[in-house]
Amino acid sequence: GENVEQHPSTLSVQEGDSAVIKCTYSDSASNYFPWYKQELGKRPQLIIDIRSNVGEKKDQRIAVTLNKTAKHFSLHITETQPEDSAVYFCAAERGSTLGRLYFGRGTQLTVWP
Amino acid sequence: SAVISQKPSRDICQRGTSLTIQCQVDSQVTMMFWYRQQPGQSLTLIATANQGSEATYESGFVIDKFPISRPNLTFSTLTVSNMSPEDSSIYLCSVGADNEQFFGPGTRLTVL
Repeated sequence: GENVEQHPSTLSVQEGDSAVIKCTYSDSASNYFPWYKQELGKRPQLIIDIRSNVGEKKDQRIAVTLNKTAKHFSLHITETQPEDSAVYFCAAERGSTLGRLYFGRGTQLTVWP
Repeated sequence: SAVISQKPSRDICQRGTSLTIQCQVDSQVTMMFWYRQQPGQSLTLIATANQGSEATYESGFVIDKFPISRPNLTFSTLTVSNMSPEDSSIYLCSVGADNEQFFGPGTRLTVL
C-alpha cells in the first residue's frame, strides 16, 4: 500500500518568512497529491493540489512542486502570516480513485508575528 | 463544491455500546468515504461506500466493527460497534466534487 512521509512535524517561522513542507510517497501509481490545512477544531480544507502531469502549481502565496521520478512533493508558503498557523497535511491518492487518500502525519506550522 | 453535514457533531458513549453517524450531502455523489482522525493524529481512510453495493474496507478495518450503509446517492451512515476507549476519534465523511475532495465537519466521539 501507499506510504506517505511528511517532514517536518513542526515548523516555526517569523511572519513574512517562507515555509516549506516536504512529503514523499511510495506508490508510483499515485497521480493526485492534495494539501490540506486544518485549523484547531475544524475540518481539513483543501488549499492546493497537483496532478502527475504537472511539475509545479501556484496559487498566490502558495505553491506545490512535484517530482514524480523521486516521488516527492513539497508545499511552499511565501510571505507567511499569523493566520497561516495550522496543521498542514499532504496526501496521495490510493490507486486511481479520487477520494481514497493516504495522508502524511501532518506539520504544525506556527507563524510568529 | 459540496456541502456536507454530519450528525451527531459529538457524543460521549459507554464502552460496549454502538453509535451510528450520519452523513448528508447536498448533491448526488457516486462514492462517499469515511475517515478517522484520532486525537492529534492524521486522517486514516476506513472505507469507501458506493450506493447499491457493499462498502470496501481498508486494511485494518472490518465490516463487523464499522458497518456502513449507503441507501442513496446523498446519504451514508457509519456505525461504530462495540466501542472501546480506543475508538475515541473524530469520524469524517468525505465526497468528491469538481475534482476536489471535501470533508464533512466531523463527529467527535469519546468512549468512556
